Amino acid sequence: EDQVTQSPEALRLQEGESSSLNCSYTVSGLRGLFWYRQDPGKGPEFLFTLYSAGEEKEKERLKATLTKKESFLHITAPKPEDSATYLCAVPGYSTLTFGKGTMLLVSP
Amino acid sequence: DVKVTQSSRYLVKRTGEKVFLECVQDMDHENMFWYRQDPGLGLRLIYFSYDVKMKEKGDIPEGYSVSREKKERFSLILESASTNQTSMYLCASSPGTVTEAFFGQGTRLTVV
Repeated sequence: EDQVTQSPEALRLQEGESSSLNCSYTVSGLRGLFWYRQDPGKGPEFLFTLYSAGEEKEKERLKATLTKKESFLHITAPKPEDSATYLCAVPGYSTLTFGKGTMLLVSP
Repeated sequence: DVKVTQSSRYLVKRTGEKVFLECVQDMDHENMFWYRQDPGLGLRLIYFSYDVKMKEKGDIPEGYSVSREKKERFSLILESASTNQTSMYLCASSPGTVTEAFFGQGTRLTVV
């Protein structure tokens, strides 16, 4: 059974304080890994797809990386508007398996 | 841009009512999904559909049914709403089974 574990569950940062979120997975043959951002009361917004170990994707202050067992979402010099829950997911046989997310709060 | 539209942002229904949640996508995607999201439990798959008139049970299908009569529309039905079905409901679509999914804005359902 595919499993996705995200850590930490919650993270509080000061504006400008860089950090990383972790997504570890157990799948039989990775066919991709997806990152999403979710604002309170809204649906998840797709951010990145990573397909192979060593791959990196960037968007503004976010950079996602992938190894054979985990993915990291690096947040460089975050701003308060980066506050959200970040979800990762992997495709299974016919659906996605999601982690429970990391709730990020960036204080001014 | 992919657009997935859910018919309501907020709904309040009474226990025992039959409830319909509608979802429409505009990208001709094959797959559509219904999830519910609760604090501490994450996203849980209720049902999904990989083609018109086709449906598959997800992890928590009890108390729900679905309908997909047209490719762009996927409906979630609560046959007899109960208070434990109070939740955020999220519809999603994807072009394939191993591709990213795109979500609607969510429907916050409260059953009283």
